[in-house]
Amino acid sequence: EPEVTQTPSHQVTQMGQEVILRCVPISNHLYFYWYRQILGQKVEFLVSFYNNEISEKSEIFDDQFSVERPDGSNFTLKIRSTKLEDSAMYFCASSDLEVTGELFFGEGSRLTVL
Amino acid sequence: AQSVAQPEDQVNVAEGNPLTVKCTYSVSGNPYLFWYVQYPNRGLQFLLKYITGDNLVKGSYGFEAEFNKSQTSFHLKKPSALVSDSALYFCAVSRGDSSYKLIFGSGTRLLVRP
Repeated sequence: EPEVTQTPSHQVTQMGQEVILRCVPISNHLYFYWYRQILGQKVEFLVSFYNNEISEKSEIFDDQFSVERPDGSNFTLKIRSTKLEDSAMYFCASSDLEVTGELFFGEGSRLTVL
Repeated sequence: AQSVAQPEDQVNVAEGNPLTVKCTYSVSGNPYLFWYVQYPNRGLQFLLKYITGDNLVKGSYGFEAEFNKSQTSFHLKKPSALVSDSALYFCAVSRGDSSYKLIFGSGTRLLVRP
């Protein structure tokens, strides 16, 4: 069964460093998303991406965040200068337009900012 | 604005007994409603969805949910709980618009005791 894959599974970084989280969505999907979950808490929407541009973003997704689909398969989330409060599990998801909204999630990338 | 409420942080039930995990929503227009399950240190797995049609939807692992428009609810149910059902359950809503963004509830931890 096709799945969304994410790397790395866990990254530890120093405050102020840049981090790139990578995702390979399901190949025929057209919509891509990043969500985050602070330990044991709510899953929060960050950004949605369609047709090579951001279609919607939340208040959390400030200028420190960016997304890119550099090569038609990978979908990346970059945090330019990490803060302690960026520590969370980051989930990538993708969706097939035909399925009217069901999102398929990856296993997540745990980011720890020290 | 979309929002989802899961009023119970935790639901405890004995194995073999029926279970209900509550969810209410607020969204303009017709909602697309979803349930996802999260096992420890794992991603979000899709359980079921309501888009249109029959108010009772059946999903994976014997779960079902009933859409109630007048009460704006979408409670998750299972006739007979298993210990292996113990996990974190998230209700989510989408407007079904161009981004298909899901907004998640705060989650309900289900604990099924033997």
